[in-house]
Amino acid sequence: QKEVEQNSGPLSVPEGAIASLNCTYSDRVSQSFFWYRQYSGKSPELIMSIYSNGDKEDGRFTAQLNKASQYVSLLIRDSQPSDSATYLCAVNTGANSKLTFGKGITLSVRP
Amino acid sequence: GAGVSQSPSNKVTEKGKDVELRCDPISGHTALYWYRQSLGQGLEFLIYFQGNSAPDKSGLPSDRFSAERTGGSVSTLTIQRTQQEDSAVYLCASSPNPNSGTQYFGPGTRLLVL
Repeated sequence: QKEVEQNSGPLSVPEGAIASLNCTYSDRVSQSFFWYRQYSGKSPELIMSIYSNGDKEDGRFTAQLNKASQYVSLLIRDSQPSDSATYLCAVNTGANSKLTFGKGITLSVRP
Repeated sequence: GAGVSQSPSNKVTEKGKDVELRCDPISGHTALYWYRQSLGQGLEFLIYFQGNSAPDKSGLPSDRFSAERTGGSVSTLTIQRTQQEDSAVYLCASSPNPNSGTQYFGPGTRLLVL
């Protein structure tokens, strides 16, 4: 059973702080990793993808991947109230490219 | 350009009825996926299409669920003899390159079975 685990949350941070979201996965052959943001009542929106070990930065978002530890994280710098949402970690093993999702963690950014 | 579209956005049906959910992927996207998201649950994979064929149907929960895709574009997910546990949001996603894993989601169909 391929699993993707996220901290149960919720996570609350003050505006301007760094929010750190973590995810572990069980399948060592996983090839690509994604973070989706889902606002309440909306569908998931892709915000970051990462394929190789290390950091990938896009604006206020940084994804970090460590395949040896089977760990992927998302850092949100200068958190804004508009970042308040559920963040879903997703992993693709490459077999048919279906994504296995974690249950998500709800982030609340306090003004 | 236009994103993934789904219809209807909401569907209320009675237990035992059949329902059809439609997905129109982003133009040119060869890969299409159906997922289900139940209250408090993560996204659950249902089926994957590459073109008109479905090489992976492993997530369909029972034989009451079926899907087809025609013309390499529109897909229909059919649930026969609906049950209350089928109530969920059904999400469709498409991808230009299934090897990349990058998927773009539609707005979903919220299904309520009474």
